[in-house]
Amino acid sequence: EADIYQTPRYLVIGTGKKITLECSQTMGHDKMYWYQQDPGMELHLIHYSYGVNSTEKGDLSSESTVSRIRTEHFPLTLESARPSHTSQYLCASSPKNLNEQFFGPGTRLTVL
Amino acid sequence: QQQVKQSPQSLIVQKGGISIINCAYENTAFDYFPWYQQFPGKGPALLIAIRPDVSEKKEGRFTISFNKSAKQFSLHIMDSQPGDSATYFCAASIQGGSEKLVFGKGTKLTVNP
Repeated sequence: EADIYQTPRYLVIGTGKKITLECSQTMGHDKMYWYQQDPGMELHLIHYSYGVNSTEKGDLSSESTVSRIRTEHFPLTLESARPSHTSQYLCASSPKNLNEQFFGPGTRLTVL
Repeated sequence: QQQVKQSPQSLIVQKGGISIINCAYENTAFDYFPWYQQFPGKGPALLIAIRPDVSEKKEGRFTISFNKSAKQFSLHIMDSQPGDSATYFCAASIQGGSEKLVFGKGTKLTVNP
């Protein structure tokens, strides 16, 4: 069982609100990722990080931002949420020299 | 340009049957091919993975078949059970370093009792 945590698990908010989705892992993994996924659909990589102070945009353009100040923590922020941001957000991590990714349980975001 | 093409999009199998999901890749540098299983409301979890130096890998009822010349790999689920009902994703990458996993679009498997 991978030790990667996401909070909150479910979030319903109004348009225009600023939100931060939390992701933490206790495995000491260097690499971390954020994916956006509509339920049961394909995974879209939106951000990734290969270590502290390293962040890159993924394949899918996203209005969200991320930070990596500590190895274990990789929060994702939406400055002004919109209904188009309604989706599931999955966080994952992997060790430095391997590509096996361990996924968190996800945050289901609904923007009204 | 999608580098990993997965089919079918959905699959319905009777209990006890064999489920087969196929993936094709384009980048011949890929050397790591995992399959992930995702249940509703959960994150994907690694099911089984293969390297191109073997043509088949089996773990319990799950088998990966790999055809390097055809650039294809497939997941076979023997004696499929209702508990196997989930979405399955194939993926590919170049092992190690900074390469990311490239995922297929997923296959929703339903195993009827």
